[in-house]
Amino acid sequence: EDKVVQSPLSLVVHEGDTVTLNCSYEVTNFRSLLWYKQEKKAPTFLFMLTSSGIEKKSGRLSSILDKKELFSILNITATQTGDSAIYLCAFSGNTGKLIFGQGTTLQVKP
Amino acid sequence: NAGVTQTPKFRVLKTGQSMTLLCAQDMNHEYMYWYRQDPGMGLRLIHYSVGEGTTAKGEVPDGYNVSRLKKQNFLLGLESAAPSQTSVYFCASRTGGLRSYNEQFFGPGTRLTVL
Repeated sequence: EDKVVQSPLSLVVHEGDTVTLNCSYEVTNFRSLLWYKQEKKAPTFLFMLTSSGIEKKSGRLSSILDKKELFSILNITATQTGDSAIYLCAFSGNTGKLIFGQGTTLQVKP
Repeated sequence: NAGVTQTPKFRVLKTGQSMTLLCAQDMNHEYMYWYRQDPGMGLRLIHYSVGEGTTAKGEVPDGYNVSRLKKQNFLLGLESAAPSQTSVYFCASRTGGLRSYNEQFFGPGTRLTVL
């Protein structure tokens, strides 16, 4: 059975800190891994990763995939209170579906 | 473009009542999905559709039915609501083929409480 596990489940940091969120997976027919940010309502797309070792970057956020060790990390540098959210990773196979992890709840304190 | 919209936004049901949640998208997407989100459990796929007139089961389909009579709409039905179905329901859609994965666009969610 395909499985996606995120850690930690929750995290509290102060503004300016750097955080690393983890996502490991045990899946068949891997196609891509996606990261989403969820604030009050709907998840919004951050990154899609398909190849090992290639970093995707957007401002203070970056992510990388390791297909050999079956994990991905999401880094946020110089955190701000606006980064407080649930961060979700999801695996995509060849069935058209996404399998989500449990999410990491990040709280950034002023 | 409105993107993905969901109606209603909130609903309270009594055990045994039925209801239908409507998802609509105006992006001409082929794929549509229904998820539920419960605390600490991420998003779990209920049912999905790869095109008009098609539906398929996800991870947690029991107690739900779906229909995709029109490409732009995906309906989620609860025939006899149970308290275990209290959750936040998200609809999503995407373009692309089975093997060319693109991001999913999510609706704003429906908060359902079953008493």
